[in-house]
Amino acid sequence: GAVVSQHPSRVICKSGTSVKIECRSLDFQATTMFWYRQFPKQSLMLMATSNEGSKATYEQGVEKDKFLINHASLTLSTLTVTSAHPEDSSFYICSASKSTRTEAFFGQGTRLTVV
Amino acid sequence: QQQVKQSPQSLIVQKGGISIINCAYENTAFDYFPWYQQFPGKGPALLIAIRPDVSEKKEGRFTISFNKSAKQFSLHIMDSQPGDSATYFCAASNIGFSGGYNKLIFGAGTRLAVHP
Repeated sequence: GAVVSQHPSRVICKSGTSVKIECRSLDFQATTMFWYRQFPKQSLMLMATSNEGSKATYEQGVEKDKFLINHASLTLSTLTVTSAHPEDSSFYICSASKSTRTEAFFGQGTRLTVV
Repeated sequence: QQQVKQSPQSLIVQKGGISIINCAYENTAFDYFPWYQQFPGKGPALLIAIRPDVSEKKEGRFTISFNKSAKQFSLHIMDSQPGDSATYFCAASNIGFSGGYNKLIFGAGTRLAVHP
């Protein structure tokens, strides 16, 4: 149990376009989901925390208007990278937890390449 | 104060040897310390975690040692195997803080290579 799935696993988009990444909890209801960004050979940096039915909380330095997060249901959160630029190319990873006091499980990540 | 410092950056161990990765933190409010294993192109997976009320936790070949006074914790992988070759991240969070359990601060990562 406790499977978190991201889609797509890889995406290439043109500069200036928007791309949506989905994060689904397949076998549990996730009240909280987290979005991380990871540059090659570097650590994971938390971008934002999303709670079902409410606005996401962004970490300092993360542009809210560029990285739109929606957590419309207990099993789905989406990250939309708007007006993507090459510097947005990165590995984006989500995690999901049943509650604020239980372990979160990570998705397999999405490799975004902006050309 | 939010940083978690991890060392070494990379580690090469012979099969059957012991792999040791160290982490240090500053924020005394941290009270949850997990270790994650990540293979290339995949998301991290929880290996083992510890709370500050114990000094050691062992699960199979993986052991966490925790030194609260020194604000340090380490991962020991016994009888290391080539299949253990991956990147390992330590992390820390504050369970007591609202929503803090999973708001993880990650170390920089250690790339472990276990040679046959």
